[in-house]
Amino acid sequence: DAKTTQPPSMDCAEGRAANLPCNHSTISGNEYVYWYRQIHSQGPQYIIHGLKNNETNEMASLIITEDRKSSTLILPHATLRDTAVYYCIVRLDNNNDMRFGAGTRLTVKP
Amino acid sequence: NAGVTQTPKFRVLKTGQSMTLLCAQDMNHEYMYWYRQDPGMGLRLIHYSVGEGTTAKGEVPDGYNVSRLKKQNFLLGLESAAPSQTSVYFCASSYSSLVPYNEQFFGPGTRLTVL
Repeated sequence: DAKTTQPPSMDCAEGRAANLPCNHSTISGNEYVYWYRQIHSQGPQYIIHGLKNNETNEMASLIITEDRKSSTLILPHATLRDTAVYYCIVRLDNNNDMRFGAGTRLTVKP
Repeated sequence: NAGVTQTPKFRVLKTGQSMTLLCAQDMNHEYMYWYRQDPGMGLRLIHYSVGEGTTAKGEVPDGYNVSRLKKQNFLLGLESAAPSQTSVYFCASSYSSLVPYNEQFFGPGTRLTVL
């Protein structure tokens, strides 16, 4: 699976959009981009995934560049409850070994 | 639905002792996973199972054994605990390994300390 690079930490003001970048320059054509988050030592929680097209669900939006070498997770209106470590993961479909990196620690401030 | 539950929540062992961690899911998922998370690091896959009676090794399987005798349960065993196995252990399950059914649902974790 392709390796990902994320900034170790970011801050965001409450109510503003949080934009979390992820670099995956060695991604192959059939690898998906997944985002999970982990709130204060709880088990990780799935957020969203995508292959080529941008995706949106009730939690977030995922923007994938045309060359697929990077992506951005967008939390449109961050709240204090969104403070967490966010993991960007690249994996093949049907691959059971999901590799978590160190992630980005997002702190939402009042 | 309880989702994914783990037993126990906390445990302290002495070096050389053995123990079993239990993971249970009530979502009728075929796939189950065991991860460990060391301080400041992401999760690493220990073992996983693609169905009742089957198990496979993940990224860091040494020192652990697993069993999946029932579809809803996945057990992680430490035969002779070592201080290097001090970690937080997370169990997860998913319906499938294929998009869009491969979202993994995680349990609350078991914090294990080996002295």
